This record gives sequence, structure tokens and C-alpha cells, in this order.
Amino acid sequence: EVQLVESGGGLVQPGGSLRLSCAGTGFTFSNFAMSWVRQAPGKGLEWVSAVGGNGANRYYADSVKGRFTISRDNAKNTLYLQMNSLRAEDTAIYYCAKDLIRGAGADYWGQGTLVTVSS
Amino acid sequence: ELVLTQSPATLSLSPGDRATLSCRASQSVSNFLAWYQKRPGQAPRLLIYDASKRATGIPARFSGSGSGTDFTLAISNLEPEDFAVYYCQQRSKWPPAFGQGTRLEIK
Repeated sequence: EVQLVESGGGLVQPGGSLRLSCAGTGFTFSNFAMSWVRQAPGKGLEWVSAVGGNGANRYYADSVKGRFTISRDNAKNTLYLQMNSLRAEDTAIYYCAKDLIRGAGADYWGQGTLVTVSS
Repeated sequence: ELVLTQSPATLSLSPGDRATLSCRASQSVSNFLAWYQKRPGQAPRLLIYDASKRATGIPARFSGSGSGTDFTLAISNLEPEDFAVYYCQQRSKWPPAFGQGTRLEIK
């Protein structure tokens, strides 16, 4: 059974940093691209970042480019999102998601981790 | 940047009805379009990918159609658990943006 479990969320002050983790089990982690998607309170889904299976190709939304870094450790079956220079508008539930082969959609999602940026 | 526009914003129907949700892209995405269901407090759930292919475990009453710029998600014989927010997402170009969502509510 495929499972994705996020951790690392919490309360952080504006300008601060946080690192999210997502542990994947039940599938060959290195074979699949992985993504981060967030949902701010009362808002819709926003794609944040994605990384290819071998970690070489990384993509970012304009809203986080230069502040967030996506990475993965395939030996540990874990996806990361390093978030720096956090802003109030980064407050959201962050979901990690596993892509289908060929990236046609995200077929498995974690339960989400809440990030709150506030003083 | 490629923009997805979903309509209507809110759809009010009764259990047993048929729902038709629309997603329009600002430029062609071929058939690289996915649909997700989002219930409060739950993770998004993939319903449809490649515009018309049902994801694993998705009931046959969910169907997707369209190509190019105009897409439709149809849900027949609405069940109580179908009342949720639905999002389309294009997978043709970076960034793989989502539409703003359609809320399907009980009438």
C-alpha cells in the first residue's frame, strides 16, 4: 500500500525557515516524480514545486522561486522542501504527492502538514 | 502563463442528479488534464487523468472528456459523498497550474 507521511510543519515567524519532509512507502520511490502542493486557508490548491525521480530536474512556482528548495533522498525514500524567507502568505497546509508515470497526475497524497507564518 | 478557468464557481444539485463541471485552458494543453476531488480535512484525490482516464478505484459515474482547451467532468447519479470541491490541473506545461475550483453543494 502506498503511503506518504509529511512532517516538519509548525509555527514560524516571518523571515524564518522550516524544512518539510515526506516519507514514502509501498512503492519504488526513485521511479516517480514527486510534488508539493499547498492550500492556504479558504483558498484553492496551489502547485508549489516538483522534482524528477533522480532529483536532477526541479521546478518551482514563481511565488516560491528563490526561497524554497525541493530535494529528495532516494536511499531514505524521503522528499524534502526547505522553506526560507517565509512570509505570511506562505501559511497553508502543505501536501506531498506522488506522480503517475509520465507525470499525468498525482495519484497518491499525504495527509498534509500545516505551516503557519506569524509573529 | 497558462491559466485554467473553471465554471461554474458553485453548483447546487441534489443527490441522484447529474453534475457537469467545466474547465477551460487559456491555450491548448492537448489531453494533459487531470481532475481532483477535495473534501474538507482530506487530501486531494485524483479522479481523472489524460482528460478521460479514470484513476484506480474511481467509480464509473465519474467521467472526463475534452481536448485542447475545453474539458468537462461529469458525475452521474450524485452520491452524498460527491459534494466537495473539484479542481482541474493541466500537466502540459510548467508550472502545472490548478483551476480555481468548482464547489459542488447540496441543493
